[in-house]
Amino acid sequence: GQQLNQSPQSMFIQEGEDVSMNCTSSSIFNTWLWYKQDPGEGPVLLIALYKAGELTSNGRLTAQFGITRKDSFLNISASIPSDVGIYFCAGSYSGTYKYIFGTGTRLKVLA
Amino acid sequence: EPEVTQTPSHQVTQMGQEVILRCVPISNHLYFYWYRQILGQKVEFLVSFYNNEISEKSEIFDDQFSVERPDGSNFTLKIRSTKLEDSAMYFCASRDRYEQYFGPGTRLTVT
Repeated sequence: GQQLNQSPQSMFIQEGEDVSMNCTSSSIFNTWLWYKQDPGEGPVLLIALYKAGELTSNGRLTAQFGITRKDSFLNISASIPSDVGIYFCAGSYSGTYKYIFGTGTRLKVLA
Repeated sequence: EPEVTQTPSHQVTQMGQEVILRCVPISNHLYFYWYRQILGQKVEFLVSFYNNEISEKSEIFDDQFSVERPDGSNFTLKIRSTKLEDSAMYFCASRDRYEQYFGPGTRLTVT
């Protein structure tokens, strides 16, 4: 079946640093969503992307829909302690209603 | 801001018992989903529901699972005879056009 691979799996960063993570697939996707999940809670939608090449920002977060439609990137600028959590990408492809989730990137911020 | 709600937040049941997990999706959304997340793992698609019928289901969603939208607002997931491996967080989600929003989840513990 379809799989989304996220990297890195986890990362420690210093407060104030910028963060980059990505999500890749062997298949083409039509929509990419990025979520953040805190322990014991549901995923919270951060950014939605609909077109190849699209670059969308939400505060300190910026995400891009890769030109090949097989990948997406999320950047967090000037990280703060509350950015700690697991970030998931999710993609949907033509002919399906479902979203497939990536393996997640666990972010830990050192104050 | 409208949100997806789920009840109960935590359900403990004995193996072989039936459980019903409940969700109230966002009111003007048309697509409804159940996902599962085993502790420490990624979010897995179970089933999607559109126009009062299942539109897609995963291989996890076998005959022990069923979904209903009994009254136009609630959306339920029933597990007929729970197994130990059904222990997980179960998330309901609803979608307007592309953006999918998750509820806070029900933690199901099968003993």
